[in-house]
Parts: sequence; structure tokens; C-alpha cells
Amino acid sequence: GQQLNQSPQSMFIQEGEDVSMNCTSSSIFNTWLWYKQDPGEGPVLLIALYKAGELTSNGRLTAQFGITRKDSFLNISASIPSDVGIYFCAGQGSGYALNFGKGTSLLVTP
Amino acid sequence: NAGVTQTPKFQVLKTGQSMTLQCAQDMNHNSMYWYRQDPGMGLRLIYYSASEGTTDKGEVPNGYNVSRLNKREFSLRLESAAPSQTSVYFCASTKESNSPLHFGNGTRLTVT
Repeated sequence: GQQLNQSPQSMFIQEGEDVSMNCTSSSIFNTWLWYKQDPGEGPVLLIALYKAGELTSNGRLTAQFGITRKDSFLNISASIPSDVGIYFCAGQGSGYALNFGKGTSLLVTP
Repeated sequence: NAGVTQTPKFQVLKTGQSMTLQCAQDMNHNSMYWYRQDPGMGLRLIYYSASEGTTDKGEVPNGYNVSRLNKREFSLRLESAAPSQTSVYFCASTKESNSPLHFGNGTRLTVT
């Protein structure tokens, strides 16, 4: 599959801080997705992006589809303890398969 | 509102044993997928089924077989389990190829 570089690998922050993570790819994607995984559960979709330059918000979360179609970022504003989890980016080109990043592990201390 | 259901939730196998992981979705989705998740590796696609009656290899298909039994069900079989197949296995489904995936809660498999 196509390589996705997701960074940072982990983040340890205090409640109330903003968080930013990103993904880059060597290939162009048509779709960028951001998922969150809680311990013991499957990934759950947070935000889907379908167009280069698209900026989409979902509550305190904001994600953008990079203009080059090779990158995307996810921001979380005013983090809270329940934001803890692993965040995955995923990109899809012309085929069926989604390519996943290796995840960003987020820890939030009260 | 079950979504994607995977069974079993946990399984321990000895090297060489076989087993089938079951997956069913009730969302009338066309495409179904099997991923494995290993620490630091993210999710890697094993096999997928774009529609009922078709299956294709993903990134890491060796040691696995799949069956798309009907539109709802997509099973993953390990014929002769190996310790390298110790992982968390996720089934997912989607209505169309460019729609987001919906995941099950995973099967945690340990091969000793």
C-alpha cells in the first residue's frame, strides 16, 4: 500500500490545550479521513474530506484536505480528558483500499 | 443498531491450528474488508470484497483466506496459525468504494 507518514507518534498534553497532528503521502489521494480509536474498540470516523482545500469542522475538531492532495491535518481545540485515544489518518486513491497512517496516541491530563 | 459485528472477541490458538473469524454487517453495505492492527504499524489491509461474489488481496494476504458468504457476511480463515498472526483483526464495511469505512470492535487473536 501507499505509505502515509503520520506525526507526531504520540502527544502528552494538559486539558485545555490545542492539539495538531498531520499526515503526508508520497501519492495523491481523492479522499482523506480521520478516525479515532478508543481502547478495546474499532476506529470511529471523525471527519471525511473529499476535495482539495476542503476545511471541515466537527465540534472542537477541524481537519483540512491539503491543496496538493498529498497531506491533511487534524486540529483539536481545548482538549478534554475524553479526547484520549489513538487518532488515525487514512487516504484513498483511485482504488478500493484505504491506506492508514500509523496513528497518533493522545494522552490528556486533567 | 448493530453495525458491524465480529465474533469471537478473543481467541487463543496454538501454532498450526485453524480458525475462522466471522463478520456480519446489517447496513446493506456492498464492500467489506479485513484489516489487522499491530503495535506501531497502524491498520493493514488483508483482503477485501468490493461486492458480493468478489474478493481481492490487500497488502498482507499471506496465510489467510476469505469468503464473502453473502452480502452481509465476510469471513477470514487462518488455515495454519502462526505466532506472526498474533494481532487484532478488524472487519469493516462501506456502502461504496469512496465512502468511509465502518469498523467492528475487533477480534484479539493470540497464537502461541
